[in-house]
Amino acid sequence: GAGVSQSPSNKVTEKGKDVELRCDPISGHTALYWYRQSLGQGLEFLIYFQGNSAPDKSGLPSDRFSAERTGGSVSTLTIQRTQQEDSAVYLCASTWTSGKRETQYFGPGTRLLVL
Amino acid sequence: AQSVTQLGSHVSVSEGALVLLRCNYSSSVPPYLFWYVQYPNQGLQLLLKYTTGATLVKGINGFEAEFKKSETSFHLTKPSAHMRDAAEYFCAVTLLSGYSTLTFGKGTMLLVSP
Repeated sequence: GAGVSQSPSNKVTEKGKDVELRCDPISGHTALYWYRQSLGQGLEFLIYFQGNSAPDKSGLPSDRFSAERTGGSVSTLTIQRTQQEDSAVYLCASTWTSGKRETQYFGPGTRLLVL
Repeated sequence: AQSVTQLGSHVSVSEGALVLLRCNYSSSVPPYLFWYVQYPNQGLQLLLKYTTGATLVKGINGFEAEFKKSETSFHLTKPSAHMRDAAEYFCAVTLLSGYSTLTFGKGTMLLVSP
């Protein structure tokens, strides 16, 4: 079946430009997460959407980063005025919860390179 | 605040040998602990997690991990490595029952030789 998809798979941009990264979660999953994986830094939580609740933005590194989730499905992560340190793999994940069981599915990621 | 340390950025084993990937955490309150695996060109997958109860946790693909509070460790093991286990493994910790505040280690690349 269809998993979490992300687009683009790769993005090269110039410093100062804005970029938009898209995530299509698995249909029916109410929770959606954005992470990024920088070289040598491991994974870093960015933002979390759960149903209609206000998102948990505690992981966003600066006000240049924002994300929205429209209609409880597709999510877009926007980075304004990109900097070279924004270069990383940006991962999206959606989670399905049934009773006490939680299953998290990750997308393949978007590789962002800021020149 | 919590933190995670994975000892060794690379671990090499022979096929059939024991796999041991080390993870130590720092937390001011009892943690929830996770191991994730990332195969080449694929997204992350949850291997196993510890929340409460039994300290030995079994996951997918024959992996297991044991929560040792006295050692602040959550090492990942597998009795016999397979070639398909070659991947990068991430240990993570959170203080909440959900995933929203996960702190990840830097990852350990497992290399399996024939």
